[in-house]
Amino acid sequence: DADVTQTPRNRITKTGKRIMLECSQTKGHDRMYWYRQDPGLGLRLIYYSFDVKDINKGEISDGYSVSRQAQAKFSLSLESAIPNQTALYFCATSDRGLAGGETQYFGPGTRLLVL
Amino acid sequence: DQQVKQNSPSLSVQEGRISILNCDYTNSMFDYFLWYKKYPAEGPTFLISISSIKDKNEDGRFTVFLNKSAKHLSLHIVPSQPGDSAVYFCAASPYFVDSNYQLIWGAGTKLIIKP
Repeated sequence: DADVTQTPRNRITKTGKRIMLECSQTKGHDRMYWYRQDPGLGLRLIYYSFDVKDINKGEISDGYSVSRQAQAKFSLSLESAIPNQTALYFCATSDRGLAGGETQYFGPGTRLLVL
Repeated sequence: DQQVKQNSPSLSVQEGRISILNCDYTNSMFDYFLWYKKYPAEGPTFLISISSIKDKNEDGRFTVFLNKSAKHLSLHIVPSQPGDSAVYFCAASPYFVDSNYQLIWGAGTKLIIKP
């Protein structure tokens, strides 16, 4: 079984609709992240959470919200989807980097199309 | 302002030869660098990393070289194999993780290994 799972894997929605992307992990990591990937731009950080009570905005948080329901679950919501939110979305986890040099582990991605 | 740049969107290499992927960075606060590999329909997977106290790190066929004065790193794959065909992302961060930690990603280089 995959350590980091994302649901759904593909989603088509219409402008103005609210949607939620979900992420679950079995790695026991404290830290979770949401990224989006656009062609030619690499990965950009949307939100991150260092533990259940900690939520931080990333580089491109406008139009998104998150919820950390448990250590293992981190969901991303688009309150009112717009076409330029069409992208590939990745969830990632990492362990507490006490010694530095943190490595992130990624889910398989959710491909979102907003019409 | 791209802090991590991968200037080659794609690279084609003959099987068995050396593949060299390049990455440049601008932020002098970065002292930990990672390479990730991504296959279609999958999330990125960690490949190899290097901290700024080293100028080389080797793991099997993969070697990462860091030139701090030039703010440049490269990934060498020797010998290249068909399974190495993927998109390779360079990422950078400060070594020690704190609440402001973010991993900054390059746009990726698509490596194609020709038989």
